[in-house]
Amino acid sequence: GENVEQHPSTLSVQEGDSAVIKCTYSDSASNYFPWYKQELGKRPQLIIDIRSNVGEKKDQRIAVTLNKTAKHFSLHITETQPEDSAVYFCAASKTGNQFYFGTGTSLTVIP
Amino acid sequence: SAVISQKPSRDICQRGTSLTIQCQVDSQVTMMFWYRQQPGQSLTLIATANQGSEATYESGFVIDKFPISRPNLTFSTLTVSNMSPEDSSIYLCSAGRPEGLNEKLFFGSGTQLSVL
Repeated sequence: GENVEQHPSTLSVQEGDSAVIKCTYSDSASNYFPWYKQELGKRPQLIIDIRSNVGEKKDQRIAVTLNKTAKHFSLHITETQPEDSAVYFCAASKTGNQFYFGTGTSLTVIP
Repeated sequence: SAVISQKPSRDICQRGTSLTIQCQVDSQVTMMFWYRQQPGQSLTLIATANQGSEATYESGFVIDKFPISRPNLTFSTLTVSNMSPEDSSIYLCSAGRPEGLNEKLFFGSGTQLSVL
């Protein structure tokens, strides 16, 4: 199956700074890459996703980039706020198949 | 998004017993999955729940331990059988909603299981 690696495992930033989380995947057939945010005690929530035919996608303060050749994708959060503090998971999937998740990044935004 | 109801939300069980977790989706979905999430850890895929046929299990998970039912396109159950303390974890149901060529994955609220 697919193997998704995620770095860093923990990340602390000052409020207003940017945060970047990186993931790599192993299966070149994967074509869909979502990102989830999980607050303590809650379910993972889809925050942004990107398909393999797109190199970058942006939604307000969050953006995702994809490099298919290198098989890596990244989440960028700008102007971070304390409410961005959570665990973030990347995932990879291919059409009609399972989703495999990275190991998670615990983001702390320091006020 | 999809509305996914999962129950029970938590349970404390004795070693050797079994627990069945139910997952109900608000509309028909093609794909349903069961994940396990241990404290502070990532989401590990247990199996794909296939409608009308046997579930597809990931390496390390077997049907005798985690039997799964999927009688229709909106409902699935996961049973954790002959439980031991190592089975203590959060179990998450998820469903895929098609959008274009891919499915968007949504999660139930999870079942926090503690085995004594």
